[in-house]
Amino acid sequence: EAEVAQSPRYKITEKSQAVAFWCDPISGHATLYWYRQILGQGPELLVQFQDESVVDDSQLPKDRFSAERLKGVDSTLKIQPAELGDSAMYLCASTEGREPYNEQFFGPGTRLTVL
Amino acid sequence: AQTVTQSQPEMSVQEAETVTLSCTYDTSESDYYLFWYKQPPSRQMILVIRQEAYKQQNATENRFSVNFQKAAKSFSLKISDSQLGDAAMYFCAYRRRQGAQKLVFGQGTRLTINP
Repeated sequence: EAEVAQSPRYKITEKSQAVAFWCDPISGHATLYWYRQILGQGPELLVQFQDESVVDDSQLPKDRFSAERLKGVDSTLKIQPAELGDSAMYLCASTEGREPYNEQFFGPGTRLTVL
Repeated sequence: AQTVTQSQPEMSVQEAETVTLSCTYDTSESDYYLFWYKQPPSRQMILVIRQEAYKQQNATENRFSVNFQKAAKSFSLKISDSQLGDAAMYFCAYRRRQGAQKLVFGQGTRLTINP
């Protein structure tokens, strides 16, 4: 069964360092999402891609976060510099974009700890 | 903006018993989906059940069923014959119907199953 892949699964870094997360969606899924899940809370959307284009990045802290999906397939989320408050689980999800449900499939996440 | 509220941070139930998780939401839209997602420890989030707002009939999936009250903006999840494998975080989520829209999640309810 096809799954969304993410790496690394865990990342520990010091504040002010740069970190990057990678996501490979299910093959053929045009829409890709990055969500951030702070411990004890529900996920919140950071950025949404349709193919290689950003559809929604209204909640992305653009002074330190960047995201790209250059060929419309896999995606990278970067934080530079990392801050203590960035400690969270970063979830990637993808959807085929086919109605009626546009079901989103989630990866296992990257758990980031900033020291 | 749409909001989703889960007022039960934690719930517990005896194995084989029935438990109900609560969720309320706020939206000015008339056409949307509601979901319950399950997030087991250290594993990816998976879809448990979905409800289309235009359908009056409550969705059911094996031991899982919902009570959808559109006027009250309430969407509860009932788990019958609880099993140890049901232990997880459960998130209620909302999504506008049209297009590959983002999910808006509640804060989650941690469900413990007591043997």
